Amino acid sequence: DAKTTQPNSMESNEEEPVHLPCNHSTISGTDYIHWYRQLPSQGPEYVIHGLTSNVNNRMASLAIAEDRKSSTLILHRATLRDAAVYYCILRARREDMRFGAGTRLTVKP
Amino acid sequence: NAGVTQTPKFQVLKTGQSMTLQCAQDMNHNSMYWYRQDPGMGLRLIYYSASEGTTDKGEVPNGYNVSRLNKREFSLRLESAAPSQTSVYFCASSEFLRNTGELFFGEGSRLTVL
Repeated sequence: DAKTTQPNSMESNEEEPVHLPCNHSTISGTDYIHWYRQLPSQGPEYVIHGLTSNVNNRMASLAIAEDRKSSTLILHRATLRDAAVYYCILRARREDMRFGAGTRLTVKP
Repeated sequence: NAGVTQTPKFQVLKTGQSMTLQCAQDMNHNSMYWYRQDPGMGLRLIYYSASEGTTDKGEVPNGYNVSRLNKREFSLRLESAAPSQTSVYFCASSEFLRNTGELFFGEGSRLTVL
């Protein structure tokens, strides 16, 4: 199964943009790239997903490299509420939502 | 709209005891999942159910059984609890469409096995 690699932790200042990287060098053509985040003491929540093109929604933007071997989740203006663990996941099959350790984002006021 | 509801939220068991975690979703989703999350770790898939009447093993199925009672409900049973099963358990559901379909998670059930 294709795996993802993320930094263990990142820090950001409030109201500044945050770029969360994810490497997935063994991605296959049918794998979608999903991002979830988990706020303290809560279940994960969906953030965004994409296949080849960059994607935007009200929460974030997803930038996908042309060779699809990496992607970046972009939070345009970090708030204290964005402090969470962010998971980058490749999904090919119904059951294939395997969460790694993710990146713990700390937002400083 | 309740989404995904898990019960109980907290449970303490002694080694060898059995219990069932209940999960229900009201979004008419076909797929349901059970995950466990150990402290400081990501989620690991225990079992999933692609549709009513079907269940399949995930990454860490040993020591667990599941039942997809109907389209709404997916239960997780520990027949003989062990301290290694101390964890937070999350249920999720989704409508799987061409590798997409976001997962909706419950709030989690915190289980301690003494």
